[in-house]
Amino acid sequence: GNSVTQMEGPVTLSEEAFLTINCTYTATGYPSLFWYVQYPGEGLQLLLKATKADDKGSNKGFEATYRKETTSFHLEKGSVQVSDSAVYFCALSRDDKIIFGKGTRLHILP
Amino acid sequence: DGGITQSPKYLFRKEGQNVTLSCEQNLNHDAMYWYRQDPGQGLRLIYYSQIVNDFQKGDIAEGYSVSREKKESFPLTVTSAQKNPTAFYLCASSIVTTGGRGKLFFGSGTQLSVL
Repeated sequence: GNSVTQMEGPVTLSEEAFLTINCTYTATGYPSLFWYVQYPGEGLQLLLKATKADDKGSNKGFEATYRKETTSFHLEKGSVQVSDSAVYFCALSRDDKIIFGKGTRLHILP
Repeated sequence: DGGITQSPKYLFRKEGQNVTLSCEQNLNHDAMYWYRQDPGQGLRLIYYSQIVNDFQKGDIAEGYSVSREKKESFPLTVTSAQKNPTAFYLCASSIVTTGGRGKLFFGSGTQLSVL
């Protein structure tokens, strides 16, 4: 079946550090891939997406590239800020379902 | 402003009681979803609906029921059969096109607790 696996957290970094959050997926066919972010006490917001192999999604300094050969969609940011502290979810869309990973909590220290 | 409204923000359920969580959207989206969020579990799909008067079970539908009588509304009932209902419940919607699927708009959630 379709599934998403992402690295467990929490991830703690200092401000201006480089961020990578790993995400791999299992799916039939060619799913669309997404990263969502959840700030404390809020619902999720779409951060970025990619709909086909080799597409790069980007937003707010975050990037992720759809790698079909490794079935991965790792999230990266070159210089994190305290305001990036949140929970990040990797997700895939296949048929009518959107399947989420378990989430990775990110703490950024000033 | 367009968006999704969930109410109430906090809800308490007594043993044996059914409770209903409200979800309303004015985005003119066809598809609506209910997810349950538990710490360390991520989001799990309870029910989803692609069109009025039709809905499908997600991965953890047991103990829950839904209706979709209007495009704007997708209420979730947590029945007494759901033995572990304490969780954060999120409603979402999306347009139903190949490019739009997966781009979900979420409400701010309802925290349900058992008394």
